[in-house]
Parts: sequence; C-alpha cells; structure tokens
Amino acid sequence: GAVVSQHPSRVICKSGTSVKIECRSLDFQATTMFWYRQFPKQSLMLMATSNEGSKATYEQGVEKDKFLINHASLTLSTLTVTSAHPEDSSFYICSARIGQVGEAFFGQGTRLTVV
Amino acid sequence: KNEVEQSPQNLTAQEGEFITINCSYSVGISALHWLQQHPGGGIVSLFMLSSGKKKHGRLIATINIQEKHSSLHITASHPRDSAVYICAVSYDTDKLIFGTGTRLQVFP
Repeated sequence: GAVVSQHPSRVICKSGTSVKIECRSLDFQATTMFWYRQFPKQSLMLMATSNEGSKATYEQGVEKDKFLINHASLTLSTLTVTSAHPEDSSFYICSARIGQVGEAFFGQGTRLTVV
Repeated sequence: KNEVEQSPQNLTAQEGEFITINCSYSVGISALHWLQQHPGGGIVSLFMLSSGKKKHGRLIATINIQEKHSSLHITASHPRDSAVYICAVSYDTDKLIFGTGTRLQVFP
C-alpha cells in the first residue's frame, strides 16, 4: 500500500515553545491531508483538513492560530503547535487518501509531551 | 450518539479463536474502512469496502448496505492480532467518521 511518513515519532518540549510535525506522502501525491488528535483510549478527532496550495480547513473548536498547518507541496503537510502548553500533550497523527475517495493511509503518529 | 457504533468495545480471546467485530452506521455511506491501531499508535488500513466481502490472509470484512452493518472477522487469532480495530465511514466527502474502536487482546 501507499506510505505516509510522519516525523518525529516522539517529542518533548518546554511550555511556550513551538513544535513542528511533518507528514509526507512518499509514493503518491496528496492534495489533501488530514490532521487528527487522539487522547488515551479515545477515538481519533479530526483537527483540520490540509489543502495543498490553500488554507487549511479547521474543525469547530480547533484554534487555527495555535495549530498552524502548511501544505506547501503535494507530498508534504506540516502541523506546528505554537506556544505549547501541557494540555497540548497528546498523540497527533496525519492521514492522506488516494484521490478524494480512495483508501486512507496514516502516518506513524507523533506523541507530544509538553513539560 | 456516535454515527458509527462498534461492538464490542473490548474483546479478549484465546489464541486460535474466531473473532468477530461489528460496526453499524446510521446513514448511507460511500465506503467503509477497517483500520488497525497498534499499541504504539500507528494505524494500518486493513480494508476499504462499499459492498460485499473482502479477504486478506486471516482477515475477512463484510458489509451489508441495506442493514448498514459491517463485520470484521479474524480467523485463527494470534497474540500479534492484539490491537485496537477501528471502523470508519466516508460519505461523499473525503472525511472519515470514526467509530470508538474495539480493543482486542489475544492470549496464548
């Protein structure tokens, strides 16, 4: 199947700093990528839809100034958690689909801990 | 109420047992996905189906469009099958709506 690579897999940062997470589609072009957040033992929560060459679409309740998304190319989307706070500690995972309605492929996820 | 309901929430089995996980959804969909999330967090797509049945190794997925129901079966279960299995549906957009997942533990 197709490969989506996410980096880093784990990151620990201090409160107030910013953290960038990268999501790359390695063998296909992804005009759309999705960013999810997952709390322990809970389902995936869609944060935003990243659109290549245009602004991301954020879900209700997600602060766009806190979670900056950039999708500058057909193979790379980035999520930057700005001015990180301990409550931002979570598991973040990206996904892309083959075409608009194709199979979904997920990155390995990033476990963020803010201390 | 979640649009996508999975059952059971938790499941334990002895190695070799036949396992069934169920998924129900409330409105018509364009496709249903079965995903596997490993303890480390990574998610693997197992199946995407819109009708009938698909098989891959020991895994079988079926869907009944009229009843808005899908099942994931694991034959001859093995401890390495221990994971969270997630059902997700998509409508006419590219977004996925996720079920709450089924946590499976297979003991030797």
